[in-house]
Amino acid sequence: DAGVIQSPRHEVTEMGQEVTLRCKPISGHNSLFWYRQTMMRGLELLIYFNNNVPIDDSGMPEDRFSAKMPNASFSTLKIQPSEPRDSAVYFCASRENTEAFFGQGTRLTVV
Amino acid sequence: DQQVKQNSPSLSVQEGRISILNCDYTNSMFDYFLWYKKYPAEGPTFPISISSIKDKNEDGRFTVFLNKSAKHLSLHIVPSQPGDSAVYFCAANFGNEKLTFGTGTRLTIIP
Repeated sequence: DAGVIQSPRHEVTEMGQEVTLRCKPISGHNSLFWYRQTMMRGLELLIYFNNNVPIDDSGMPEDRFSAKMPNASFSTLKIQPSEPRDSAVYFCASRENTEAFFGQGTRLTVV
Repeated sequence: DQQVKQNSPSLSVQEGRISILNCDYTNSMFDYFLWYKKYPAEGPTFPISISSIKDKNEDGRFTVFLNKSAKHLSLHIVPSQPGDSAVYFCAANFGNEKLTFGTGTRLTIIP
């Protein structure tokens, strides 16, 4: 398996634009997580899914953020409209049992 | 509310010596703990984990200690090598719930 695949690796966008981050989890994993890494908060959980169902989205900072998991092999994290303070590295991770495997991350820069 | 805390943002250790990374948690329901290692521009990977039914887990140069009464976790790396330089995140979960991370400790091994 190629591991968790995220795209794009880097995204630079202008303030106010819509941004969509994509994730393909490891096949067979039933949990998927979206994290955001910042200097102040480290790895901050935004939302997680079990069996494609959102379980806890309390970490989503605002209504501008939304996430979907239409099937077991794909998830998106959307920010609309984007703001400069959204600039960070966003990680997707998937898990079968206790240990989560991470993708390479998407570095988002909003100018 | 930070349920997993890493109070040292950085640590420098001489090559060959022991590195000790510390982590405290507040939720007594946590039953599984992991240490993740993160290099720049890569996703976190995990060198070692421990279940709450154990107090020690050793894997080569890495040993994790768990003190449940103190709600304290530590990672020992001995001997430390330059390739160990990275950001280390402590993580905890219970059941099939979300994985909660600390803010990370940047370890620098000095040759």
